[in-house]
Amino acid sequence: GQQVMQIPQYQHVQEGEDFTTYCNSSTTLSNIQWYKQRPGGHPVFLIQLVKSGEVKKQKRLTFQFGEAKKNSSLHITATQTTDVGTYFCAGPESGAQKLVFGQGTRLTINP
Amino acid sequence: NAGVTQTPKFQVLKTGQSMTLQCAQDMNHNSMYWYRQDPGMGLRLIYYSASEGTTDKGEVPNGYNVSRLNKREFSLRLESAAPSQTSVYFCASAYLEGNTEAFFGQGTRLTVV
Repeated sequence: GQQVMQIPQYQHVQEGEDFTTYCNSSTTLSNIQWYKQRPGGHPVFLIQLVKSGEVKKQKRLTFQFGEAKKNSSLHITATQTTDVGTYFCAGPESGAQKLVFGQGTRLTINP
Repeated sequence: NAGVTQTPKFQVLKTGQSMTLQCAQDMNHNSMYWYRQDPGMGLRLIYYSASEGTTDKGEVPNGYNVSRLNKREFSLRLESAAPSQTSVYFCASAYLEGNTEAFFGQGTRLTVV
């Protein structure tokens, strides 16, 4: 079945540094979604990208969807301690429309 | 605005015991899912229900059963719990599965000893 791979699995940065996580699918996606899970919490929806090459920004967060609609990235500029958590990408499995999640990137920040 | 409500929040079971995790949503969503989360494994889909009256297997269905009782409720049953089922379980719902954002419950932390 479809696989959604995310790298890196872990990332530790100093506060103020930038952070990027990458997501790659084995198949073309109709859309890709990003979620954030705070430690001890549940995943919370951040954004959905639909169009090939789409770029969306939310304050310090920039989301990109690849031209081939098989990869995506999340970039955080000048991280803050509130950015701590695990970031997941997710995409619908083609045909079945099941939402498949990547393994997540856990971000920790040194204040 | 309750959103997605899961019960219980914590549970400890002995090997071989059974239990049902309850999930209810009040957003009139069509699709509901159960995921399990283990360290380093992300969120793995156990079962999902694209609409009332239908259920389908996800990536890791063995050892579980589900019931879509009505549009609001989707329960997950462990008939004979095993230590390998120790995990955090999340219920989620969406208006249209895969194409609209999913809303998650608070999670159930299950330990099987």
